[in-house]
Amino acid sequence: AQRVTQPEKLLSVFKGAPVELKCNYSYSGSPELFWYVQYSRQRLQLLLRHISRESIKGFTADLNKGETSFHLKKPFAQEEDSAMYYCALSGSGNTGKLIFGQGTTLQVKP
Amino acid sequence: DSGVTQTPKHLITATGQRVTLRCSPRSGDLSVYWYQQSLDQGLQFLIQYYNGEERAKGNILERFSAQQFPDLHSELNLSSLELGDSALYFCASSPGLVSYEQYFGPGTRLTVT
Repeated sequence: AQRVTQPEKLLSVFKGAPVELKCNYSYSGSPELFWYVQYSRQRLQLLLRHISRESIKGFTADLNKGETSFHLKKPFAQEEDSAMYYCALSGSGNTGKLIFGQGTTLQVKP
Repeated sequence: DSGVTQTPKHLITATGQRVTLRCSPRSGDLSVYWYQQSLDQGLQFLIQYYNGEERAKGNILERFSAQQFPDLHSELNLSSLELGDSALYFCASSPGLVSYEQYFGPGTRLTVT
């Protein structure tokens, strides 16, 4: 079964501290993994995807197929990073459907 | 606004009723997706349409149905509503059938009393 697990509902850190939002997935094929973010009073939007291997707003995520993980990391958290973060998986096949994790609220304290 | 639009923003209705949620995709996008977000289930994929045709189905109840019209807007119909159907319903769109970035609408909050 396709599943995405984000074990933390809430992650609270101080400004300048490192951040790691955990994501584990279950999928038998080769998935595409994404991180979506929802800032307060804004729409859900794509933050980054594993195939592009890019860094967006200082965030990076590496797909670890051995551990079936796609953790989101940032070395120094900023207050504007406070938001809800969703890890998502898109499987093979001719559809674009996304399987989302439960989401993690990141709270960056001053 | 050239982004995804959804109407209405809020909907309050009683159990047993039927409602229709509407979504207009971004200009040029052919795929429309519907997701349900509830406190206990999180964000769940319901259904995808591409250029008028159903392309993927998730855990969508039989009481729910959707369609995509020739102008590419989509409607999600929810019938015989139950308290548990109260949720935020999101629509998203993307250019192609398999697109790595989906553009989300603001959502419709449905409250069933």
